[in-house]
Amino acid sequence: DIQMTQSPSSLSASVGDRVTITCRASQIISSYLNWYQQKPGKAPKLLIYAASILQSGVPSRFRGSGSETDFTLTISGLQPEDCATYYCQESHSAPWTFGQGTKVEI
Amino acid sequence: QVQLQESGPGLVKPSETLSLTCAVSSGSVSSPGYYWSWIRQPPGKGLEWIGYIYYSGSTNTNPSLKSRVTISLDTSKSQFSLKLSSVTTADTAVYFCARGQYYYGSGSYFKFDDWGQGTLVTVSS
Repeated sequence: DIQMTQSPSSLSASVGDRVTITCRASQIISSYLNWYQQKPGKAPKLLIYAASILQSGVPSRFRGSGSETDFTLTISGLQPEDCATYYCQESHSAPWTFGQGTKVEI
Repeated sequence: QVQLQESGPGLVKPSETLSLTCAVSSGSVSSPGYYWSWIRQPPGKGLEWIGYIYYSGSTNTNPSLKSRVTISLDTSKSQFSLKLSSVTTADTAVYFCARGQYYYGSGSYFKFDDWGQGTLVTVSS
């Protein structure tokens, strides 16, 4: 199985800040990387797929980048509603695996 | 927008079989191209993909659970189901059903783009 490692595990930032979350895969996965946002008690919501494509309806302040083994989710201009846990997920090969999550606090 | 809703017992005894159903509305489980999936999340922990069933009935399950997992499709009721046998306390989790599909760009990119709200299943005697 491909192991996905996120960093940091948590962070605290202020409204308006630029926030960066990284995700590293244990092997090359090209651009087969998704990002999800999960708020407490809710299901994950797809933000980014294919490493950099914004899911329909997701605000443009979310941006995904990277390829091969190293990926980044950037939130430009953090908003109060962005308080959540963010997960990366590789879609290179089943069994698809997720990172352990990064909790973003305001 | 497709909607998914999980249902099933919230409490299961150790060694018994966990059974959940996901009802799909505003969409059809018979539509080509969709992978009807189960994903779980132990309390306070991360996400684990359990498996999927394709509209054709073919399945793929996580090898870590494979011998215990059965996923089935009921097209007449537009729903799909999960059975997990011989459960232990380690199977206590919120279970999500989700719809997966491929995006065909420079490659074939799989994504889970719609999710149910999740249902907590506790394994306890």
